[in-house]
Amino acid sequence: DQQVKQNSPSLSVQEGRISILNCDYTNSMFDYFLWYKKYPAEGPTFLISISSIKDKNEDGRFTVFLNKSAKHLSLHIVPSQPGDSAVYFCAAGIYNNNDMRFGAGTRLTVKP
Amino acid sequence: NAGVTQTPKFQVLKTGQSMTLQCAQDMNHEYMSWYRQDPGMGLRLIHYSVGAGITDQGEVPNGYNVSRSTTEDFPLRLLSAAPSQTSVYFCASSPRTGRYEQYFGPGTRLTVT
Repeated sequence: DQQVKQNSPSLSVQEGRISILNCDYTNSMFDYFLWYKKYPAEGPTFLISISSIKDKNEDGRFTVFLNKSAKHLSLHIVPSQPGDSAVYFCAAGIYNNNDMRFGAGTRLTVKP
Repeated sequence: NAGVTQTPKFQVLKTGQSMTLQCAQDMNHEYMSWYRQDPGMGLRLIHYSVGAGITDQGEVPNGYNVSRSTTEDFPLRLLSAAPSQTSVYFCASSPRTGRYEQYFGPGTRLTVT
């Protein structure tokens, strides 16, 4: 069963606008969430994380929002740049449990 | 620092053949893991290790073996390859167990015919 779902396989936005990538999860035990970015022929690289005690975490142009009651998190990129074009994975885990679950990924294309 | 390295980058196997995917990290990380990435499935955890001499199964361990004799190396063995093991394999490491961000290698693309 897929406990972490990214329902949009792809997203296209104009340079300078906001990109919003969404992720839903089903396991209410998850208490730590991460976003990774992946370029072709490379491994995923860590982008930003959030724990369940927070509802927002910011790092420069990237902000992650967590809505625990809806079991939903989102990644906002403002402003979007062409270099942000990549596949974005969300991941969720439980504290002190090594079984982290990943979504299927969303391919973001930022058009100049 | 080379980070996490994986060899080979590409491999084609025939059904029933065996091989070992190599993974090494030079960051002195305790935690290492293997994932496979399939279209529409995201990354799924195969096996992981929380330190030298300690390994455990992840979400999809069947058909794979691992060992961790040193902190640096975490090889993944396919004893009898099957077409269902055609995938891209990523090794990752982390300085702390479980919840923290992981550093991924560049991946090995494996095709089993």
